[in-house]
Amino acid sequence: TQLLEQSPQFLSIQEGENLTVYCNSSSVFSSLQWYRQEPGEGPVLLVTVVTGGEVKKLKRLTFQFGDARKDSSLHITAAQPGDTGLYLCAGAINAGNMLTFGGGTRLMVKP
Amino acid sequence: EPEVTQTPSHQVTQMGQEVILRCVPISNHLYFYWYRQILGQKVEFLVSFYNNEISEKSEIFDDQFSVERPDGSNFTLKIRSTKLEDSAMYFCASRPGHPSLAENYEQYFGPGTRLTVT
Repeated sequence: TQLLEQSPQFLSIQEGENLTVYCNSSSVFSSLQWYRQEPGEGPVLLVTVVTGGEVKKLKRLTFQFGDARKDSSLHITAAQPGDTGLYLCAGAINAGNMLTFGGGTRLMVKP
Repeated sequence: EPEVTQTPSHQVTQMGQEVILRCVPISNHLYFYWYRQILGQKVEFLVSFYNNEISEKSEIFDDQFSVERPDGSNFTLKIRSTKLEDSAMYFCASRPGHPSLAENYEQYFGPGTRLTVT
């Protein structure tokens, strides 16, 4: 059974601060997805990383896949209140496989 | 932009009743999935479906659950005799099977159906 541990579970920061969310596992994943989920809605895909050491940027969000493909991080620069939400990482062993989700990081950015 | 749709958005049923949750995946996608999320818990995989058959299922997906693709657009999840512990958000997802490496892994989720079993 693959497990993905996310940290921190909760994060409350002021607008303009930087933050990093971590997603760790003892298993090797072929891909790692990051999603954002609003209350009562489905997860919305932000990015997919597939190569060890890969870095992808989406505006103020930077995603990194660990060299060994066991961990990933999401870094937000100059957080804004609109970044408030639940961030989920999810990994797949193979393309056709199920996604294993982390427990999520609930981010609140205060103005 | 194409999206996965699900109906109904909220279903209330009595214990022991059958429910069918409906999904319309993105039109050119080939792989289909059901996940569920009990309130306050992780998103959990239920089943994957490709080429008109189940390709993988979790321990949660027991004999009370079944999936079907009755036509070229719909993908359904049936729970034959609902239990209180089936109360959860149920998410449908689809994946294109694109030849591009990264995009091949991307699963797109619908808005979910909230199932409440009383």
